[in-house]
Amino acid sequence: EAQVTQNPRYLITVTGKKLTVTCSQNMNHEYMSWYRQDPGLGLRQIYYSMNVEVTDKGDVPEGYKVSRKEKRNFPLILESPSPNQTSLYFCASSLGGGAYNSPLHFGNGTRLTVT
Amino acid sequence: AQSVAQPEDQVNVAEGNPLTVKCTYSVSGNPYLFWYVQYPNRGLQFLLKYITGDNLVKGSYGFEAEFNKSQTSFHLKKPSALVSDSALYFCAVRAAMDTGRRALTFGSGTRLQVQP
Repeated sequence: EAQVTQNPRYLITVTGKKLTVTCSQNMNHEYMSWYRQDPGLGLRQIYYSMNVEVTDKGDVPEGYKVSRKEKRNFPLILESPSPNQTSLYFCASSLGGGAYNSPLHFGNGTRLTVT
Repeated sequence: AQSVAQPEDQVNVAEGNPLTVKCTYSVSGNPYLFWYVQYPNRGLQFLLKYITGDNLVKGSYGFEAEFNKSQTSFHLKKPSALVSDSALYFCAVRAAMDTGRRALTFGSGTRLQVQP
């Protein structure tokens, strides 16, 4: 089954304790992206990757890191989480290249709480 | 900068009645427009998109959307609502000319509640 898999689904942590949220897709998509969803704000892009070893900042990158060492994986790293990073996080992927109108495929989300 | 407005936080409709979820956008040049649906505890699922051509776009689960360039709108519609359509709906836009970042701008979402 074609899917984007995020782990964990739920995560409670404390301020300053480094964490990683994993994301993996099995559709051989070039493009991957991380979003955060906050009430009343919709989804905002954190980072994206056009292909392996190619990453760039989205609209709200502060406090986050990503890496793309393999095509299928795109982990999100919070090196020193803070309470304002409490949110619902989504990983998404789509075809790359010239397929700029291809729809995004989303994971089921990771609900992060930072106390 | 591109933007999307979904003016209604919630839309209530009776089962069997037609539904409309509104979306207006702002973008430089021609738009690519999308609708996504989010069910509880799930990620967003693609419903339909407008790229070019016919202004009436048909998508999954009987939904359709009408692109209106003069009004910069892309309203989501369904002739007969089902209780199972109750979910959170997001409109999204990107500029067709933006061949770089490919970032979609999402609206804030509209919760659709269909009453039996």
